[in-house]
This record gives sequence, C-alpha cells and structure tokens, in this order.
Amino acid sequence: KQEVTQIPAALSVPEGENLVLNCSFTDSAIYNLQWFRQDPGKGLTSLLLIQSSQREQTSGRLNASLDKSSGRSTLYIAASQPGDSATYLCAPWGNNNDMRFGAGTRLTVKP
Amino acid sequence: DGGITQSPKYLFRKEGQNVTLSCEQNLNHDAMYWYRQDPGQGLRLIYYSQIVNDFQKGDIAEGYSVSREKKESFPLTVTSAQKNPTAFYLCASSFRAWELFFGEGSRLTVL
Repeated sequence: KQEVTQIPAALSVPEGENLVLNCSFTDSAIYNLQWFRQDPGKGLTSLLLIQSSQREQTSGRLNASLDKSSGRSTLYIAASQPGDSATYLCAPWGNNNDMRFGAGTRLTVKP
Repeated sequence: DGGITQSPKYLFRKEGQNVTLSCEQNLNHDAMYWYRQDPGQGLRLIYYSQIVNDFQKGDIAEGYSVSREKKESFPLTVTSAQKNPTAFYLCASSFRAWELFFGEGSRLTVL
C-alpha cells in the first residue's frame, strides 16, 4: 500500500521567502502526482498535476518537480505571500486507480 | 459552472442514527471518491467508484455504504456501525486516472 510522507509538518516564514515543501512516497509505480492546497474548513484545490512522464510543472510562483525513481516530489513556492498560508498536500495516483494523500504541510506566511 | 456539490455542509447526528451525505458532479467524470479527514491527518479513502453501478472499498469502508446509480451522483451513508463518525468528509471526482477535483466538504458531528 502506498505510504506518503510530507516534510515539514508545519512551516512558519516571513513574507517574501522562497519555500520548499517535500513529499516522499513508497511505491514509484504511479500515473501522476498532484499537489493541492487546503484552506481551513474547505475542500482541496488543485495546484499542479505532474504526469509520470514529466519531471516538473510550473504555475505562476509555484513549481513542482517529480522524481519517480526515488519516490520524491518537491513543491517550490517563490516569493511567499500571506495569502499562501494554507495546508499543502501531495497525492500520488497509483496503479489501483486511487489516490493516496500525505498529512500535509501547514504553511504560515507572516506579513 | 461545472463542479462538485456536497450537501449538507454541516450535519449533526445522534448516536445510533444513519445519515446520508450527498455528492453531485456535473463534470461528466467517470470516477468518484469519498475521503474522510480527521484533524491533523491526511485524507483516507472510504469508497470509490469508476463506473455506474460499481464501487470498491477503500482503506476505511467499515461502517459506511455507497451507491452509484447515476454517473453524476455518489451518496455516502454513515451507518450506526461507524464507531467514530465525527469528521470532515470530502467527495472528489476525476476523468479516469487523471486530475482529481474536490467538493467543499461536509462536516459531520455526532452528538
């Protein structure tokens, strides 16, 4: 069964810093990997989707990389803003057609 | 607008009662999913369905039941057999093994 670990569990930074959030997974046989954002009490919003054949994907200040062979993905946030404060979750999509989630990284960006 | 609608947003249940959470999507997605989220934990898969009239158990299916009579709808029933039902429930859908989209969630509290 796929196990997903996200490090760090929580992160507090001043505005403007560049951030790196890490995700590792145990089963490298995945179709794709998705990064989500979750605000308190809300559903998940998709940020980036990296297909298994890709190595990275970019959207605005966000960049996600994927190394399938080592079971790792990284979400890079450039020039962080208070509005980036949320929980970030990664989820690899496995061969049994379901998606497993990490516990997330809770990010606080201070003005 | 296309999307996933979950209702109700908040639900209170007395012990021993069954409750049903609604999930409707108009994205024409084949697959639908139910996840449970507890504070500080990642999402755990309850049930998923890849096609009408078919569904599979996830990791924590005990005490839950689902149906998939229509492509657009995937209701979840939390039965009295579920010993600790207080949680945040999230419904999602996808076009096959592709990008996952979530509803806004339903918060169930047992009184």
